[in-house]
Amino acid sequence: DAGVTQSPTHLIKTRGQHVTLRCSPISGHKSVSWYQQVLGQGPQFIFQYYEKEERGRGNFPDRFSARQFPNYSSELNVNALLLGDSALYLCASRPGQENQPQHFGDGTRLSIL
Amino acid sequence: GEDVEQSLFLSVREGDSSVINCTYTDSSSTYLYWYKQEPGAGLQLLTYIFSNMDMKQDQRLTVLLNKKDKHLSLRIADTQTGDSAIYFCAESKASGTYKYIFGTGTRLKVLA
Repeated sequence: DAGVTQSPTHLIKTRGQHVTLRCSPISGHKSVSWYQQVLGQGPQFIFQYYEKEERGRGNFPDRFSARQFPNYSSELNVNALLLGDSALYLCASRPGQENQPQHFGDGTRLSIL
Repeated sequence: GEDVEQSLFLSVREGDSSVINCTYTDSSSTYLYWYKQEPGAGLQLLTYIFSNMDMKQDQRLTVLLNKKDKHLSLRIADTQTGDSAIYFCAESKASGTYKYIFGTGTRLKVLA
């Protein structure tokens, strides 16, 4: 069975541009979360979606937004990119809204020039 | 508050045991996790423990939880060079989004 898949794997953008990152959860998983991992640090929570609704949001500016589709895949959008947005963006899924282990994808490495 | 702390580096010889430590601050956390991250990769779930347990063993991995001191440890027996990676502990909140709070990670280097 496929794990959590993310695309693209790498992306280079310039300041001020916007970016869309994509995530497909493990088959049967309905909850998707997004995390940002800056080099040398642990992942930081950005969003959690369940059944297409936002269920949680971390301490990130409004430039960050996300959505979940009927097939439970998800997109993370970042507008007006800043140099500080350079990071590994990780998507995680779990079966439902209950407190269960999350499984992570390999991430999208975003570099801002 | 929300804070998970780990030591930054650990170096061991192949075949020895490794012990990676973690302290957390939120006593309401229900699950505590250990993830492994290899260079250029995402996070691999290694094991997890529920907060009403003291110990969990899974093959070469042993997790110890001291709730009183809010201290979590991961012991890797017979450490191999393939175990070289960054290890993250994480706590999940007791309700709501069950978001994870991660530590800064411990870089384990296994010497042949």
